[in-house]
Amino acid sequence: DTAVSQTPKYLVTQMGNDKSIKCEQNLGHDTMYWYKQDSKKFLKIMFSYNNKELIINETVPNRFSPKSPDKAHLNLHINSLELGDSAVYFCASSPLGRGFTGELFFGEGSRLTVL
Amino acid sequence: GNSVTQMEGPVTLSEEAFLTINCTYTATGYPSLFWYVQYPGEGLQLLLKATKADDKGSNKGFEATYRKETTSFHLEKGSVQVSDSAVYFCALRAGSARQLTFGSGTQLTVLP
Repeated sequence: DTAVSQTPKYLVTQMGNDKSIKCEQNLGHDTMYWYKQDSKKFLKIMFSYNNKELIINETVPNRFSPKSPDKAHLNLHINSLELGDSAVYFCASSPLGRGFTGELFFGEGSRLTVL
Repeated sequence: GNSVTQMEGPVTLSEEAFLTINCTYTATGYPSLFWYVQYPGEGLQLLLKATKADDKGSNKGFEATYRKETTSFHLEKGSVQVSDSAVYFCALRAGSARQLTFGSGTQLTVLP
């Protein structure tokens, strides 16, 4: 079983469309994250949820809206897609509190291409 | 603020060559330091870590030593293999922060 799974793996869409990426983890972790990796491989955190509560919300356009229906799922919805949103989006999870040693468990990424 | 600076890639080596990827950091207090690896088409995974000065992290033949005096955490491997071709990320966790700060990644290609 995949520990952190994301769908879809590839997403090609037109500017102005709305799309969602889903993430699920079966590791029993309390915390989940969304990271954006640009074409130069630079990795930047976008959001983090701990047990359905938003705990990190970096400077991200409000076209991006995360949703966590339960602690095992964290979805990312993007409205009015722009060319600059093209990137690979990674979901990750970790335990929090004393259990967090700095190790994040990443999904395989979702490559979004906006035409 | 916290930041991580890695040597720019790409790095191309022949099999069995010695590898060094430089990483320096800026942080308040005493951060924990990490190296993550991203193989083609996969997500990042933890390679090794060190949580205090002079600690050496090691895994799969890779090593890195936490040097407080030079604020560095350089990644080394004595003899690289084709299967080591990947992107390597240095990262830090400042104190009990809930997130990591990543460097920009270094692409390594090992040729047979």
